Amino acid sequence: AQSVSQHNHHVILSEAASLELGCNYSYGGTVNLFWYVQYPGQHLQLLLKYFSGDPLVKGIKGFEAEFIKSKFSFNLRKPSVQWSDTAEYFCAVTPVTGNQFYFGTGTSLTVIP
Amino acid sequence: ETGVTQSPTHLIKTRGQQVTLRCSSQSGHNTVSWYQQALGQGPQFIFQYYREEENGRGNFPPRFSGLQFPNYSSELNVNALELDDSALYLCASSLEGLGNEQFFGPGTRLTVL
Repeated sequence: AQSVSQHNHHVILSEAASLELGCNYSYGGTVNLFWYVQYPGQHLQLLLKYFSGDPLVKGIKGFEAEFIKSKFSFNLRKPSVQWSDTAEYFCAVTPVTGNQFYFGTGTSLTVIP
Repeated sequence: ETGVTQSPTHLIKTRGQQVTLRCSSQSGHNTVSWYQQALGQGPQFIFQYYREEENGRGNFPPRFSGLQFPNYSSELNVNALELDDSALYLCASSLEGLGNEQFFGPGTRLTVL
């Protein structure tokens, strides 16, 4: 069965620190990849997505993610986090040829001012 | 532009009962997906409706069913409620399937006693 693994369940960083959240998926075919974010008290919203082309994709608020096909990974990065980045981050996958959508278990990020 | 809305916000039911949850999709979106999110977990894909037809289903039993109406709003029905059905139920709408950005509603918190 397809699955999405997020290695870090809870991350605590100080402002200006660099961030990298891991995401691995298990699916042999072509996939579309996403990172969604949920800020406190708000709905889930799209941070960035990868469909094809340049494996380094940029999203909102200075976030970026790199797709490494050989490692089945789609890690999220930000060079310098801010207090306002405190949120729950979810990696997600949908097979190009399927009609299902798989979320990881999420990573809770707390940024300390 | 109106976002995705869900009703009710909270609901308490007892085992064996049936429940209907409702979702209004974002204007112009023809795809609605439903997710179950247990505490501390990522959203689990229940199913997707595209142009009033079920068009993809996750690993949920048949007692989870749905409808999509001509205006693309949707219902999620759960029969024979079990304690494990207690969760946050999220609705998301998108244009033309799961490959595009999904816009999430606030969710309905269902408690089964």
